[in-house]
Formats: sequence, C-alpha cells, structure tokens
Amino acid sequence: QKEVEQDPGPLSVPEGAIVSLNCTYSNSAFQYFMWYRQYSRKGPELLMYTYSSGNKEDGRFTAQVDKSSKYISLFIRDSQPSDSATYLCAMSSGQGAQKLVFGQGTRLTINP
Amino acid sequence: DADVTQTPRNRITKTGKRIMLECSQTKGHDRMYWYRQDPGLGLRLIYYSFDVKDINKGEISDGYSVSRQAQAKFSLSLESAIPNQTALYFCATSDPGQGVETQYFGPGTRLLVL
Repeated sequence: QKEVEQDPGPLSVPEGAIVSLNCTYSNSAFQYFMWYRQYSRKGPELLMYTYSSGNKEDGRFTAQVDKSSKYISLFIRDSQPSDSATYLCAMSSGQGAQKLVFGQGTRLTINP
Repeated sequence: DADVTQTPRNRITKTGKRIMLECSQTKGHDRMYWYRQDPGLGLRLIYYSFDVKDINKGEISDGYSVSRQAQAKFSLSLESAIPNQTALYFCATSDPGQGVETQYFGPGTRLLVL
C-alpha cells in the first residue's frame, strides 16, 4: 500500500463547477500538507500548504486537512478553464523538502 | 528567463548508453533535487544535495548517479540506460529559510530508452 493515495482521474467538469480533489494517507506522522499544480509540459508549482489540521483559503482555493481520517482535500470554486492541470498532493512528517511524499496526481479538465 | 533550467528537454537513447541530464538554477539556492515522474506513481526522489559537498540518495537511486559541479549546477547520469528508466525527469531547488520549504521545479526532461 502506498503511503499516499490519490485518484489519478481524469476528472472533467464544466466551467463554474466546484471541484473537489482528495488524497488519503497512512502515515500518522505527516504534519505538513501541500498541493502542487502542474500544467502540461511544465514542472509542478506549489499552490497551497497547510500545517497540521484545519482549513486554509486562498481566493477560489480551499485546502482542508482531517488528520483523524487521514484525508486531505483541495476545493476549487468557480472553476475556470485555466485551472485545467494535474494536481498533486504532497505531505511530510517534518520540515525538509527531501521528506515529501507525493500522490500520483489527478488530471483535471475544466470545459468551457 | 526561467529560474531552473534543464537540458535537454527531450532525449531518446538506446539501452546500455550512458547519458547525462543537466540542471542549472539562478535562484541562489543551496538545495537541489532530482525526481522522476511516472504515470500512476507520482514524483519519486532520486538524489538530493544540500550543498556542493553534500550528496544524498533518495527513494530510487539505483542505476543513477549525480554530480554537483557548483551551487548552480546539478547533473543526473544514467550509467547504462535501461527501458524502465523511460520517464519524465525533474530538477528542483529549495531554500529552507523561507518558512515552509517550497520547491521550485524545472520544466522537465522527457527521456525515452529504447
């Protein structure tokens, strides 16, 4: 069993829809949770990060962490075609990028 | 100009050949990383370096070697390429002094081993 599981999709939704992307994990020591966005033919870029449990909002994006269920989510409100990308979750037990464990990535398409 | 550059962007090689992938950065970061990305497996760490004299193995270092020629340059070598090394390879940098350690990725190198 992988430490981090993420449904690879693909996920296709109409413009304006609310999108929910999720990851589950098995390592209860994980404390840092990140979401990366990767456009086609580009490297990943950090979108949001959360430390421990709770919610974090940034514009149309909301990240949620439920440590009791070992489940994290990324919500995109009022989705736009420019949000079409692969979204990767990543998490670690401590500071240090070398400790990050990535999910498989979910390919998302927003249809105009 | 891109802060993290990788060359070549695409490479086709044959089984048994030695190849080198190069990474350069202008961000001034000490920490550099090499990852490979495969469908269904996500990003996996191959090697990382915290400064010019520091090299560390990652999750999947077998069949690979690295060289940190300078703060700005970090090369990945496949000594004898095999088909299951066909993947998308990313170089990344990070700076631990900025709160959450954000990684900055290059555009990637697509490698096909025949």
